Amino acid sequence: EVQLVESGGVVVQPGGSLRLSCAASGFPFDDFAMHWVRQPPGKGLQWVSLISSDGGTTYSADSVRGRFTISRDNSKNSLYLQMNSLTTDDTALYYCAKGAYGGGAFDYWGQGTLVTVSS
Amino acid sequence: QSALTQPPSVSGSPGQSVTISCTGTSSDVGSYKRVSWYQQPPGTAPKVMIYEVSNRPSGVPDRFSGSKSGNTASLTISGLQSEDEADYYCSSYTSSSTYVFGTGTKVTVL
Repeated sequence: EVQLVESGGVVVQPGGSLRLSCAASGFPFDDFAMHWVRQPPGKGLQWVSLISSDGGTTYSADSVRGRFTISRDNSKNSLYLQMNSLTTDDTALYYCAKGAYGGGAFDYWGQGTLVTVSS
Repeated sequence: QSALTQPPSVSGSPGQSVTISCTGTSSDVGSYKRVSWYQQPPGTAPKVMIYEVSNRPSGVPDRFSGSKSGNTASLTISGLQSEDEADYYCSSYTSSSTYVFGTGTKVTVL
């Protein structure tokens, strides 16, 4: 059974930094691209970032480029999101999602970890 | 990258059909088969219902179907059931090698 478990969400002040983690199990982690997707309270889904299966290629949304860095450790079956220069607009539930073969969908999702940026 | 445009809400009676549109541009929906749809009941994580425009993952009822014409993708729910009440989002790959979600549609079963 595929499982994705996010952690690391906390309350942080504007301008602060945070590192989210996602522990994966139940599938060959190093065969699949992985994504971060976020959802501000009461709002829609926003794609954040993706990383290729070997970690060599990454892409990010304009809203986080230069502030957020996605990475992975295939030896630990883990995905990470380093978040710097946080603003109140970054307040959201952050989901880790597995990319499907061919990039056609996000086929498994975690339950999310809540990041609140507030003074 | 602007969000794909979906109607805020659609509704129907049990047994009826509803269709949700997802309008993008030639830089996303119009150029790629990597269009997918997600169902999100309140308080839960999204679940993929359609991938690559019209394919259903195993376990998804065949009442759910997807299609695409030009820059607009569509999700149709036939034989609407009470358990279909949820928020639905489309997503597309883009020419920038990124992804974009739709604005979301709330489906209400009357």
